Amino acid sequence: DTAVSQTPKYLVTQMGNDKSIKCEQNLGHDTMYWYKQDSKKFLKIMFSYNNKELIINETVPNRFSPKSPDKAHLNLHINSLELGDSAVYFCASSQGTGRGTEAFFGQGTRLTVV
Amino acid sequence: AQSVTQLDSQVPVFEEAPVELRCNYSSSVSVYLFWYVQYPNQGLQLLLKYLSGSTLVKGINGFEAEFNKSQTSFHLRKPSVHISDTAEYFCAVSDRYTNAGKSTFGDGTTLTVKP
Repeated sequence: DTAVSQTPKYLVTQMGNDKSIKCEQNLGHDTMYWYKQDSKKFLKIMFSYNNKELIINETVPNRFSPKSPDKAHLNLHINSLELGDSAVYFCASSQGTGRGTEAFFGQGTRLTVV
Repeated sequence: AQSVTQLDSQVPVFEEAPVELRCNYSSSVSVYLFWYVQYPNQGLQLLLKYLSGSTLVKGINGFEAEFNKSQTSFHLRKPSVHISDTAEYFCAVSDRYTNAGKSTFGDGTTLTVKP
């Protein structure tokens, strides 16, 4: 069973389009995240949700909007895609109440904007 | 706030040689420390973590790391590497008062093991 699954794995789209990436975790965790990894493999957190509530919102353009319908899902919607949005986006989850618990990552979604 | 510096962006080694990947951190509060590995086209997975107690932490795949508070370091070591260890390695830190998933990551070290 896949612990943290993201769809799609690859996404190629044109500038200006709107796209969504879905994420689901079956670990029973209460906290989920979106990370962005750029072409140099730098990894930066974008958002974090705990029990469906937004708790971390780093400096991310308003075109990015996360949505958490329940604790097991955290989707990322991106409006008006730009070339600079091309990256690998990772979803992750952790157990928020357990200090020192690590994050479990999905396989990533490679977004290419052309 | 925390920061993480991985001192080597690329580390090439020959198979069966020992390797050390260096990580230094800075933080105004006590921290938890992690090493993650990312194989090509995969997500990150945890190698090991330091929470408290013994400063020498053993992880999966024969890796270990030593927490040195005075030097604010958490270097990763393996006595004998395999070709399959070729991957990107990330050191991460989170403070003890927030969820560890919200970690600050280093810029990564590319370990290339050559035959």
